Amino acid sequence: AQSVTQLDSQVPVFEEAPVELRCNYSSSVSVYLFWYVQYPNQGLQLLLKYLSGSTLVKGINGFEAEFNKSQTSFHLRKPSVHISDTAEYFCAVSDDYKLSFGAGTTVTVRA
Amino acid sequence: DAEITQSPRHKITETGRQVTLACHQTWNHNNMFWYRQDLGHGLRLIHYSYGVQDTNKGEVSDGYSVSRSNTEDLPLTLESAASSQTSVYFCASSERPAGELFFGEGSRLTVL
Repeated sequence: AQSVTQLDSQVPVFEEAPVELRCNYSSSVSVYLFWYVQYPNQGLQLLLKYLSGSTLVKGINGFEAEFNKSQTSFHLRKPSVHISDTAEYFCAVSDDYKLSFGAGTTVTVRA
Repeated sequence: DAEITQSPRHKITETGRQVTLACHQTWNHNNMFWYRQDLGHGLRLIHYSYGVQDTNKGEVSDGYSVSRSNTEDLPLTLESAASSQTSVYFCASSERPAGELFFGEGSRLTVL
């Protein structure tokens, strides 16, 4: 069985400051990892994904994440956030048969 | 462009009524999923389908049913709505069973 833990439920951050959203997972097999973003009153859309290869993954809107197998983590980062990055962010892990989501992290960007 | 659409986007119903939420995708994906989103719980899987005539229960399937008669549609039915089923429901599809998901805009259901 696999599970996903997002360590922060809410992250307030000032505009142009960096942000890191933490995600840890547990799984007994090789996994694929995803970050999704949900803007207010919208569905989820894919930010980035790790399937194999380089552990540093770059996504849309300047986000990137690093897969750390030894620490079973897949933290999401952005060096400088904008007001428009205010959203809920979900980490997800897949073992090719089942996809599991974390509880989500709400990012609020303030001017 | 391919898309996935849900209807209705908002619905208010009464306890005990039957409700059906529609989901239609034009990605031609075999895999389709229904999730509910509740504060503090993230997304929880209700039912999923890997192809026509295939349906499977997810982690919170009690009180819900689905049917898959064609590739494009996976309607979600609440046989007898309960207040605990007040939630936002998302339909999604994917090319691989546990690959990247493409989501609809969501259906907000209120059961009074």
